[in-house]
Amino acid sequence: GQNIDQPTEMTATEGAIVQINCTYQTSGFNGLFWYQQHAGEAPTFLSYNVLDGLEEKGRFSSFLSRSKGYSYLLLKELQMKDSASYLCAVDAYSGAGSYQLTFGKGTKLSVIP
Amino acid sequence: IAGITQAPTSQILAAGRRMTLRCTQDMRHNAMYWYRQDLGLGLRLIHYSNTAGTTGKGEVPDGYSVSRANTDDFPLTLASAVPSQTSVYFCASSGTSGNSYNEQFFGPGTRLTVL
Repeated sequence: GQNIDQPTEMTATEGAIVQINCTYQTSGFNGLFWYQQHAGEAPTFLSYNVLDGLEEKGRFSSFLSRSKGYSYLLLKELQMKDSASYLCAVDAYSGAGSYQLTFGKGTKLSVIP
Repeated sequence: IAGITQAPTSQILAAGRRMTLRCTQDMRHNAMYWYRQDLGLGLRLIHYSNTAGTTGKGEVPDGYSVSRANTDDFPLTLASAVPSQTSVYFCASSGTSGNSYNEQFFGPGTRLTVL
């Protein structure tokens, strides 16, 4: 099985920087995804890491350490529209030639003025 | 159609009734998935299909069945609904489920209430 942990809730101020951590334990690791989900909507893709290091995409960056089973999502220059849940998802081999995503429970981020 | 569509958007269902949730994608993706999302539990995989004609069980398959007769459609059936199946159901697809980049694209979801 897989175990994915991320904080349940976080609050940050508009214009600030926030880091959302994710730790995981898995076998057959094939990459780690971050998704954003606004209330009442579908998850949408933010980032993907398969090698150690930092991937930067505009105001959002994602970091991975495979040896530590650790990732974080960094959001800079926070805007009110960034208020959403952020889902960490691990892609791993599940047998019979298949790979599956396992999602963490999500971190609900509230951005306040 | 653009991306993934799901129907119905929402449904209230009496316990014991049969219900099929529909999912269609137009991206020619090989792999498709059904998840349920419950407060405090996150997204959990119900069933998946790596390619047309094949299906597999996910983390919470009991009480659900799927079929994959063609590339585009992946219906989820509840044979006899129970209140614990009240949830938001998301269908997703990806280009592949093999050893490569596996970004999943999600449909808008179906909110199902079983009374």
